Parts: sequence; structure tokens; C-alpha cells
Amino acid sequence: AQSVTQLGSHVSVSEGALVLLRCNYSSSVPPYLFWYVQYPNQGLQLLLKYTTGATLVKGINGFEAEFKKSETSFHLTKPSAHMSDAAEYFCAVTYSGGYQKVTFGTGTKLQVIP
Amino acid sequence: DTEVTQTPKHLVMGMTNKKSLKCEQHMGHRAMYWYKQKAKKPPELMFVYSYEKLSINESVPSRFSPECPNSSLLNLHLHALQPEDSALYLCASSQEGLAAPNEQFFGPGTRLTVL
Repeated sequence: AQSVTQLGSHVSVSEGALVLLRCNYSSSVPPYLFWYVQYPNQGLQLLLKYTTGATLVKGINGFEAEFKKSETSFHLTKPSAHMSDAAEYFCAVTYSGGYQKVTFGTGTKLQVIP
Repeated sequence: DTEVTQTPKHLVMGMTNKKSLKCEQHMGHRAMYWYKQKAKKPPELMFVYSYEKLSINESVPSRFSPECPNSSLLNLHLHALQPEDSALYLCASSQEGLAAPNEQFFGPGTRLTVL
């Protein structure tokens, strides 16, 4: 069975500050990991994904995440927060052979303070 | 075209009504999904269609009936819903038949209110 834990349901950062959203996964097989963003009253949009290969993954809007197998983590970072980054962020996991079934974390709401 | 469209945007229905949600994509994706999302919660998978065949049903009550008439279209037929079924219903699509999973492209959702 696979699961995802996102630490912190709400994170507040000042505009221009570092954004760090935490995600830890549990999977009995090699995972595939995703970060999605959801703006109010909208669907989800993929920020980045890790499947195989390079463990540091760069995504859209200046976000990146690093897959750390030893820590079972896939934290999302952005060096400098922008007001437009305020949204809900979901970490998600799936695996080879069952990848239609994606398990989402509970989400982290990012607030950016001017 | 990298868009998934959903209609209607909003739907209010009584518990005795029959209504349908519609989802369309023209990206050539052969996997399509229905999710239910309650407020402040993550999306919950309901159904998956692969090559127009139902491949996953997450034990969804029969008052929800999915249909995939062709590779571009996905419907969700609603009948005798309960107030607790009020939620945002999201449709998604992805490529199929690949060794590694590809991203799911999500539509904007239908906001359903059951009175």
C-alpha cells in the first residue's frame, strides 16, 4: 500500500522568502511522485514529477523538488515566493504497474504575505 | 490542445433529479478519470476508464454511473443523490500504455450541490 504525508496543512511565508513544503511517502515498491497545485475553484495542475533518473526535479514556476530515498521524502521548494504562489499544493504518489491509481496527500495551503 | 473541459461549471439538483456531468479532451489520451473533492480535502478517485473500458471502480455507490462513449468523452450520470454528495467533481485524462506514469491533466471541475 502507498501513502503520502504532508506536514503542515497551512504554511505562511513572506513574499520573497524561501518556500518549503514537506512531503513524505510510504511505498513498498519504487514510487513515482508528483506535486500538483490547485488554485481556488480550479482543477489541479502538475508542477513537477519524479519517475526515475535525476533525483532533483525542476518544475514550472520556479519550483523544484528532491527525491531522497533514504528519507522517503519529496519536499517542494522555491527560492523566492511570489504572491501568485498562494494556492493549495498536493503531493501524490503512484507506482509502476498501478499508476492509474494516484494517492494524494491531504494538501498544504500556502499563504504568501506581502 | 492541452485542455480538459467540463460542463456544467455549477449544478444544483434535488435528491430525485437525474443529471449528467460531461468531460471532454482532445489530447488523444486513452485513460480518463473521475474524482470527487470535498472542501479542504484531496481528490478521491472514483472511476478510471482505459481505452473506453472501465478499469477501476473505487466502490462508488450505484447512484453514480460513469459512461465513456468514445475516447474523447466521459460522462458521469447522477441519480437519487444525497446532500453529502455535494462536492467538486473533477475529470482528468492521461496517456496510456507507457512504462512510466504520465501526468494527469485535470479539468476545472463541476461544483455540485444536492439539495
